[in-house]
Amino acid sequence: DGGITQSPKYLFRKEGQNVTLSCEQNLNHDAMYWYRQDPGQGLRLIYYSQIVNDFQKGDIAEGYSVSREKKESFPLTVTSAQKNPTAFYLCASSIDGQGHQPQHFGDGTRLSIL
Amino acid sequence: GENVEQHPSTLSVQEGDSAVIKCTYSDSASNYFPWYKQELGKRPQLIIDIRSNVGEKKDQRIAVTLNKTAKHFSLHITETQPEDSAVYFCAASNQAGTALIFGKGTTLSVSS
Repeated sequence: DGGITQSPKYLFRKEGQNVTLSCEQNLNHDAMYWYRQDPGQGLRLIYYSQIVNDFQKGDIAEGYSVSREKKESFPLTVTSAQKNPTAFYLCASSIDGQGHQPQHFGDGTRLSIL
Repeated sequence: GENVEQHPSTLSVQEGDSAVIKCTYSDSASNYFPWYKQELGKRPQLIIDIRSNVGEKKDQRIAVTLNKTAKHFSLHITETQPEDSAVYFCAASNQAGTALIFGKGTTLSVSS
C-alpha cells in the first residue's frame, strides 16, 4: 500500500538515546496504529490513534511515546526506558477507528541496538 | 485478557495440496476477522476478511470460515503454489471495537 510511508527503513540506537520513527499516510484515514513484531510473536499493539490529537495505549506501551498532531502523521518515539527495543516496527492505518475496518501497513522500520 | 490463538505455527505442503490454518478468539464481542500474508522482509497484506454476520467467504483459491458459537475461524488455501509460501496472521477485533488482536502467525512452506 503505497499510501503509508515509514522512515527510516533501518535505525540504530545507542544506549540512553531516544529515537523517533516516522509514519505518514496520504489515504485520508482517521485511525493509525503502531505495532512491534518480534520473531514468533506476531504483531503486538504499542499505541493507536482514532482521531487527531487523541491516542490510546496498546498492550506494550511502556518505553514508547507517540503524538498525533496531524491526521497524516503518527510518529513513534522509542525512549531510553525501553530496554529491549530491537524489533521490526510496523505502522498501519484504517479508514476509521472502528475495529471492523481493514488495516493497511507500511513497509516497516527495523530498529537495532548499537 | 483478549487473546487470539493460531495453529499450527508451521505448515509444510506439496504444491497443489490444500492448506488450513485455524484461529480461536476469546472475546465473544469480536465481530471482524481479517487474514494477512507477510512475505519475508515485507509488509503484511490483507488477503481476505470476514464479518460476524457471515459464515463463509471465498476469493478464488482462498476461503475463510467462521464459527461464532465455537469462537474459531479458519483460512483455507486450495491448489497451493510456491508463491503462497509466507507467514499468515489471523486477527480479531477487540472488545471495544477499536483495534485488532493478532495471532502469532503460521509459516507456510509450499514445495514444488
